[in-house]
Amino acid sequence: DGGITQSPKYLFRKEGQNVTLSCEQNLNHDAMYWYRQDPGQGLRLIYYSQIVNDFQKGDIAEGYSVSREKKESFPLTVTSAQKNPTAFYLCASSLVIGGSYEQYFGPGTRLTVT
Amino acid sequence: AQKVTQAQTEISVVEKEDVTLDCVYETRDTTYYLFWYKQPPSGELVFLIRRNSFDEQNEISGRYSWNFQKSTSSFNFTITASQVVDSAVYFCALSEAGGYNFNKFYFGSGTKLNVKP
Repeated sequence: DGGITQSPKYLFRKEGQNVTLSCEQNLNHDAMYWYRQDPGQGLRLIYYSQIVNDFQKGDIAEGYSVSREKKESFPLTVTSAQKNPTAFYLCASSLVIGGSYEQYFGPGTRLTVT
Repeated sequence: AQKVTQAQTEISVVEKEDVTLDCVYETRDTTYYLFWYKQPPSGELVFLIRRNSFDEQNEISGRYSWNFQKSTSSFNFTITASQVVDSAVYFCALSEAGGYNFNKFYFGSGTKLNVKP
């Protein structure tokens, strides 16, 4: 079955620690995205990548970093510089980067930092 | 300014009732795309529909239907004979233009639908 996997489902970290969220897709999509969702709010774009070894900042990139070494994988690191990291993180992919293509989402990772 | 407005924060209905979720968008582009997603309690966003700005035909898929009206910049979603499994948060999204340049998705803040048995 094709799809997007994110692991882990729940993640707990102490303040000051970096943490990496995994995102893998087997849809053969070129474009991948990371979003953050806070309670009662819509999605905000953190980073996106349209091709291997290329990625761009979204609206709220500060305190986050990404890499795209393989087409299938787009991990997100939440660094200690992110002031309010507790949130629900969603990874998505689309066939290519253009806005006409729907994005498909993974199940999400709920990060809690204390 | 909000590109996508979902004014209904939360709606509660009883099973078998029809319910309409409103979506109003704002754009100056002539080419744009509208989407609806469903987010059940598990968290994953599920793609429901994509509509381009040149196609104003309404669409029906089973109990789901969508009404796209450019004159009022609205793309409303109706669930007929609602079921408990329809309980979720529903998001409307807009993407401007097309082609192979990055076009950001603008998501509304979502409407939480509660369907009670």
